[in-house]
Amino acid sequence: GAVVSQHPSRVICKSGTSVKIECRSLDFQATTMFWYRQFPKQSLMLMATSNEGSKATYEQGVEKDKFLINHASLTLSTLTVTSAHPEDSSFYICSAMEGMGSGTDTQYFGPGTRLTVL
Amino acid sequence: GQNIDQPTEMTATEGAIVQINCTYQTSGFNGLFWYQQHAGEAPTFLSYNVLDGLEEKGRFSSFLSRSKGYSYLLLKELQMKDSASYLCAVRDNYGQNFVFGPGTRLSVLP
Repeated sequence: GAVVSQHPSRVICKSGTSVKIECRSLDFQATTMFWYRQFPKQSLMLMATSNEGSKATYEQGVEKDKFLINHASLTLSTLTVTSAHPEDSSFYICSAMEGMGSGTDTQYFGPGTRLTVL
Repeated sequence: GQNIDQPTEMTATEGAIVQINCTYQTSGFNGLFWYQQHAGEAPTFLSYNVLDGLEEKGRFSSFLSRSKGYSYLLLKELQMKDSASYLCAVRDNYGQNFVFGPGTRLSVLP
């Protein structure tokens, strides 16, 4: 159980284009979803936290107009990188949590999306 | 502020035992989690501690001391496939915010 999928797994795009990444919880309803980015040999950097039906909460330094997050349902959240530039190239990982963060509620991670902006 | 510290790299021999330490200073505490991440893959959940003491799960155990802001992950009977990064994460009082440590890259040698 607790499977999270991400699509696409890998994307290469030209500078200036927009890229949408989907994150789905396949066998549970995700009250909360998280979006992270990870640079090589570094730890996860939380970008934003989203709850179904409400606006995402962005971490300090993350531009909400550049990284658009939509948590449209309890099983789907999307991250759109708008007007992508080479410095946006990174490994983007989503995670989903079934509850609101009590008890053993943990995050289940998607397989990640490797974005390369040329 | 939020600060989590882990050693950057560790090396151990197949069949041995290794302990990966994590110290934290966070504004709140509602649980500590350990994740394993193989290169190029997403993290996977290993263990959870919210009360002081040792939680054992097969070859993996995790310990927590809240008064010391300290946890460790103990891996026994090391296997080559245990070569990975191990991430310590603390969940804050509100339940939704997870702060991740820098990760410890473990190399298991034959």
